[in-house]
Amino acid sequence: QKEVEQDPGPLSVPEGAIVSLNCTYSNSAFQYFMWYRQYSRKGPELLMYTYSSGNKEDGRFTAQVDKSSKYISLFIRDSQPSDSATYLCAMIIQGAQKLVFGQGTRLTINP
Amino acid sequence: DSGVTQTPKHLITATGQRVTLRCSPRSGDLSVYWYQQSLDQGLQFLIHYYNGEERAKGNILERFSAQQFPDLHSELNLSSLELGDSALYFCASSVATGGRNSPLHFGNGTRLTVT
Repeated sequence: QKEVEQDPGPLSVPEGAIVSLNCTYSNSAFQYFMWYRQYSRKGPELLMYTYSSGNKEDGRFTAQVDKSSKYISLFIRDSQPSDSATYLCAMIIQGAQKLVFGQGTRLTINP
Repeated sequence: DSGVTQTPKHLITATGQRVTLRCSPRSGDLSVYWYQQSLDQGLQFLIHYYNGEERAKGNILERFSAQQFPDLHSELNLSSLELGDSALYFCASSVATGGRNSPLHFGNGTRLTVT
């Protein structure tokens, strides 16, 4: 079993839709959670970073963490074609030396 | 722009050869991480350096090695290359050793093709 599970998709939605991306994890020691966006032929770009259960909002993006269920989500409101990319969840244990990534979900927003 | 610079952007080489990938971290970042990304494996952690010292190794092959220099740039050396080494190699940097207040910022990678 992988430490972090993420549905690879692909996910295709119309412009303006609300997108929900999810990851589950097995190690309860993970404390810090990140979402990265990766465009084709580019490096992962940090979108959201959170370390507590609950919601964190940044513009059209909301990151949600439920540590009791070992489940994290990223919501994108009013999705735009420019949001089309691969979204990767990542998490780390305090003091650990490596970020563990999910497989990534490929998202396409159709105009 | 993340501020992390990787060179070269593309490398095409033959099996059995050796290559060196270079990374310059963001200004002020002391940690450098190397990751390998392939279609079937996703992003796999290779190695982490902090202020010149190796701190952790992941799934890094013995044919691969890395170092971080006093000016904090890092190099990843890949030798005796095999077809399966073809992948995107990313460098990331952070202020400290990851975790609270120290997220990773990635460069745009080096695409290695072994023929």
